[in-house]
Amino acid sequence: SQTIHQWPATLVQPVGSPLSLECTVEGTSNPNLYWYRQAAGRGLQLLFYSVGIGQISSEVPQNLSASRPQDRQFILSSKKLLLSDSGFYLCAWSVPGSETQYFGPGTRLLVL
Amino acid sequence: RKEVEQDPGPFNVPEGATVAFNCTYSNSASQSFFWYRQDCRKEPKLLMSVYSSGNEDGRFTAQLNRASQYISLLIRDSKLSDSATYLCVVRERGYNKLIFGAGTRLAVHP
Repeated sequence: SQTIHQWPATLVQPVGSPLSLECTVEGTSNPNLYWYRQAAGRGLQLLFYSVGIGQISSEVPQNLSASRPQDRQFILSSKKLLLSDSGFYLCAWSVPGSETQYFGPGTRLLVL
Repeated sequence: RKEVEQDPGPFNVPEGATVAFNCTYSNSASQSFFWYRQDCRKEPKLLMSVYSSGNEDGRFTAQLNRASQYISLLIRDSKLSDSATYLCVVRERGYNKLIFGAGTRLAVHP
């Protein structure tokens, strides 16, 4: 069966510090991968999606970036965090051609 | 205008009640529709897809009105375990992208 992992579960970082969040998927090959952010009281916002290694599409301009160094690994990064980067970051995967997305447990990021 | 709008609630209902949530979407080219459930501080999970003819899964019934760009979710015989936030989700034609509403919170009490 397929599983999706995210770490860390929670993170407190100072403004201006770098960020690296990791997501890995097991039990499937060549998944579509997604990074979302959920701010308090707001819907999930798609940040990036990837259909293959090294292929990243950015949905919103921001100081975040994403990379997919391996088929089942998706990384979200920032060189300098802003207060507004606080939120709940969710990674998701889907089978190419399928509409159903499966979410990881998420990382709660608080930037102080 | 938000792409997907939902009443944030909360809806506070007793066990056994019937409750309905509504959702409207702005893009008439939207192709697929879903309801996801999100428990407090957890990830969203797919509850059900919404089909044009309407569909039912146990106590849950989903309806779609394309002309009005309106989606609904009906929960019958509410259980305590139904307490969660229900997210209305839309996919536009030709895109991998899902657009999420901010969610409607349901609290079922004894």
